[in-house]
Amino acid sequence: DAGVIQSPRHEVTEMGQEVTLRCKPISGHNSLFWYRQTMMRGLELLIYFNNNVPIDDSGMPEDRFSAKMPNASFSTLKIQPSEPRDSAVYFCASSFNTPNTEAFFGQGTRLTVV
Amino acid sequence: AQSVTQLGSHVSVSEGALVLLRCNYSSSVPPYLFWYVQYPNQGLQLLLKYTTGATLVKGINGFEAEFKKSETSFHLTKPSAHMSDAAEYFCAVSDRGIQGAQKLVFGQGTRLTINP
Repeated sequence: DAGVIQSPRHEVTEMGQEVTLRCKPISGHNSLFWYRQTMMRGLELLIYFNNNVPIDDSGMPEDRFSAKMPNASFSTLKIQPSEPRDSAVYFCASSFNTPNTEAFFGQGTRLTVV
Repeated sequence: AQSVTQLGSHVSVSEGALVLLRCNYSSSVPPYLFWYVQYPNQGLQLLLKYTTGATLVKGINGFEAEFKKSETSFHLTKPSAHMSDAAEYFCAVSDRGIQGAQKLVFGQGTRLTINP
């Protein structure tokens, strides 16, 4: 398996624009997680899905953020409108929904909002 | 809910010296514990994990960690540091969240610097 695949790797956009980040989890995994990493706040869990259903979105910072998982092999994280403070590295991770298994991370998308 | 505390956001050691990164957890049930490493501009990758059985767990790149229930700790060690070990290290505990879905709860991370 190629692992968790995220696209794009880098995104530079202007304030106010819509940004869509994409993730393909590892085949067979039934849990998917979106994280945000910044110097100030570290690694934050934004939202996670189990069997394509959003379980907990309490980490989503504002209504400008939304995430979907239309099927088991694809998820998106959308920011609309984007703001400079959204600049961060966004990671997607997937795992089996069992307590003794690890999550596998993608390479991340580095988002810069100017 | 489970939680993780990593003591020391930055640790600096000399090449060849012992590496010790500290992690304490809180858990109401027997914990499943993980250490991840993040190299610059990369995602997190698993170093090692403790689920059940032997409390001393060996991982990749010569790292190991010992689960100590009495101390609620899972410290990461390596006998001799290499320059290539410079990275950020995250301790995590498995938590059962809403609707029973599992998620990892991460500590704040420890940045390890290796001095030549």
